[in-house]
Parts: sequence; C-alpha cells; structure tokens
Amino acid sequence: KAGVTQTPRYLIKTRGQQVTLSCSPISGHRSVSWYQQTPGQGLQFLFEYFSETQRNKGNFPGRFSGRQFSNSRSEMNVSTLELGDSALYLCASSSTGPNTEAFFGQGTRLTVV
Amino acid sequence: AQRVTQPEKLLSVFKGAPVELKCNYSYSGSPELFWYVQYSRQRLQLLLRHISRESIKGFTADLNKGETSFHLKKPFAQEEDSAMYYCALRAGGFKTIFGAGTRLFVKA
Repeated sequence: KAGVTQTPRYLIKTRGQQVTLSCSPISGHRSVSWYQQTPGQGLQFLFEYFSETQRNKGNFPGRFSGRQFSNSRSEMNVSTLELGDSALYLCASSSTGPNTEAFFGQGTRLTVV
Repeated sequence: AQRVTQPEKLLSVFKGAPVELKCNYSYSGSPELFWYVQYSRQRLQLLLRHISRESIKGFTADLNKGETSFHLKKPFAQEEDSAMYYCALRAGGFKTIFGAGTRLFVKA
C-alpha cells in the first residue's frame, strides 16, 4: 500500500508569509502527527490529530496550526513565517493500538528567506 | 515531564567493533519505547520496539526501568549501519517524543 505522502517536497517563502503543508497518511491510519526536524534540535513534536481532533500539542507558538479532514488527510499551517522556521517538516501516521509504529513521509523542506 | 535524552550527537566506531547508542527517558507511566533509524536520503523508519524484544539487523535494545534506559546495542558494527538513530517514547496516546538523535559513523 502507498506510504505517507507529503506535498510539496520543497518550499521557499519569505518572512512574514504563511504556508500550508499537506500530508496524506497510509490508508486506514487515523492518527497523524507532525514534527519539525532541524540539525540543532532534532525531531520536535508539533501536534497530533486523531479523527479530526487535535489530541496532543507540542511547545510551539500559535503561529503553528493544523487540521485533519474526514479522510484523515492533514494540513499544517504556519503564519507570519520567521527565518527560524526553516526546517524539514515531517508527517507520520499510525494505526490505533499500543506499541504501533509511526510511518513517516519524506518531509517538506521549508526555507524561509 | 516526558523526555528522551540521547547524550551523544555523534558516535564513530570501526567496522567490527561493538556499538552502543545510549538513550535515557523520563516518564512516570509505563513507557512504550522505540528506536528509529534514518539512512542517508531515506525516510525515518522503525528499527525496533521494546515490546517485541527482537533483534533487527543485529541490533537489540533492552528496557531497564530502574535506570530508565533503552540503549541500542550491536556486537559487530557494519559500514551499512552508518545512519542517524533516534530513540522515541510514546506517551499519552499517540504522542511520540523523540530524542535529539545520534549519528553513527562506522569506519572501514
């Protein structure tokens, strides 16, 4: 079956703009999580959605938001972009149940100039 | 607070040498622990999970609740093991917290 798909793969935006990233989970997976990956900070948890509801949120400012649709696809939005938002944004999906693994997409590389 | 600590950013070993990537966690409940690996130009993927008590590609990891550790070990490192390794803790439903990662470099 198809893996987790993230679009676009690359983005260049200027400071102050806003951006929307998209994630299509593996078919049947209802949980979608978002992470920010940077060389200095590693993988930082942004938020997690399950059945269109945000269940967990990391320590990021309110400029970072997300949503999940009824088909489990998820979008992440960053408003008023800052240079420090430049990173690889990863989406992961998983099925329900304990000890289930997260399946990651290839990521969206966002560069803010 | 839930936290995963990987104290080494970079670990360099010779081929054939033993390797141990350290991971310590902080969590008040019963942890679900994982090791993920990211090879060059590939997506992040699961290597192993503590509940399975399995050996994958020669790697094993034992959960030590007393020391709150979940170190990843392999007796004889191979060049193809060179990658970025992340220890992860799943806490409170599906929220998974990752450590900062350790880059393993296996020299010929």
